[in-house]
Amino acid sequence: EAGVAQSPRYKIIEKRQSVAFWCNPISGHATLYWYQQILGQGPKLLIQFQNNGVVDDSQLPKDRFSAERLKGVDSTLKIQPAKLEDSAVYLCASSYTATNTGELFFGEGSRLTVL
Amino acid sequence: SQQGEEDPQALSIQEGENATMNCSYKTSINNLQWYRQNSGRGLVHLILIRSNEREKHSGRLRVTLDTSKKSSSLLITASRAADTASYFCATRRGSGTYKYIFGTGTRLKVLA
Repeated sequence: EAGVAQSPRYKIIEKRQSVAFWCNPISGHATLYWYQQILGQGPKLLIQFQNNGVVDDSQLPKDRFSAERLKGVDSTLKIQPAKLEDSAVYLCASSYTATNTGELFFGEGSRLTVL
Repeated sequence: SQQGEEDPQALSIQEGENATMNCSYKTSINNLQWYRQNSGRGLVHLILIRSNEREKHSGRLRVTLDTSKKSSSLLITASRAADTASYFCATRRGSGTYKYIFGTGTRLKVLA
């Protein structure tokens, strides 16, 4: 079974530039999550989708971050314009459902460096 | 916001020793999960314990949950160098949201 795919693995940009990250979850997984992990910290949930609908985006900085999950499969996370404090690893995860036994499957992450 | 906090923040032990790390959380939970993260990689699920369970085992892992103290512990027995990683607890709140909130993590180093 293929795992969660993310790209790119690494990205370096200057502040005020834009960047987009792509995630392909495990086939059949209805729930998709984007987490931000700053160095030395635990993952922080940015947005959660159930199929193609948003379940929770309370911690997504909506003035600069946007995410979509068209057709309930792949997802894209965009940052525009980037700030220095956006330097982090962006982790995508998926689960079969969002219910009680929802083990999360993570991708390898996309490491963003903002200069 | 971080729901859980792990302690210690860092732990260094010799191969063959046991490693214990703790997680404390703030609100009532539905279940609690532990994940491992190797350097530069994604997180990998280790074990899940439900709020009505007190202890669970999986191979060399033993997890306990004390809902009255809002805490959990992860014990790794007979540690190996390959256990070197960061360990995170993740909690799902007791009602409403299905989202999982991760703690701050314990960095474990197992010396060969």
